Amino acid sequence: EAGVTQSPTHLIKTRGQQATLRCSPISGHTSVYWYQQALGLGLQFLLWYDEGEERNRGNFPPRFSGRQFPNYSSELNVNALELEDSALYLCASGRLNNYGYTFGSGTRLTVV
Amino acid sequence: GENVEQHPSTLSVQEGDSAVIKCTYSDSASNYFPWYKQELGKGPQLIIDIRSNVGEKKDQRIAVTLNKTAKHFSLHITETQPEDSAVYFCAAVLGDTGRRALTFGSGTRLQVQP
Repeated sequence: EAGVTQSPTHLIKTRGQQATLRCSPISGHTSVYWYQQALGLGLQFLLWYDEGEERNRGNFPPRFSGRQFPNYSSELNVNALELEDSALYLCASGRLNNYGYTFGSGTRLTVV
Repeated sequence: GENVEQHPSTLSVQEGDSAVIKCTYSDSASNYFPWYKQELGKGPQLIIDIRSNVGEKKDQRIAVTLNKTAKHFSLHITETQPEDSAVYFCAAVLGDTGRRALTFGSGTRLQVQP
């Protein structure tokens, strides 16, 4: 079965711009989770979508937003980019209440 | 606060030795504890998990133990090999699994010296 796919692999943006990151979950998975992994740091929870609804969000400002589409794919939008937003953004998918997340390889966002 | 603490941050062992990574969590209601391995340039990969009704789980050279009373769980890797070198993350759901996503520890960089 195909794994979790994320696009693009790399993204370079200028401070103040907007970035859109995309994620396709494993077939049959209804939940999509977004995490930020800054260089040398752990995984910080951003957003969780299931069946098109936002179920929870982490301690990030409102300029981090996203949505989930009817086919369960998801996008993460980051507005008004700041240098500190440079990080690896990881998407994971799973079934609601099935605890094992499967991660994609991430999108490396660089803000210059 | 609600968190998962992980130790050590780096661990270097000789090939064939054992490696142990420990985590503590804050929410006594937590009931799911996975471990992930992240290799360079890749996303984290689930390697083993344990639920609160089990004290220990093994899968070949890796095992996880859970002490719910003390709120800590550990990853044990025996007969380490160079390919075990990676960053390992513990995680837990702090609260209602229907409402909370996984909270991750800060990671342990394991280096296995040949």
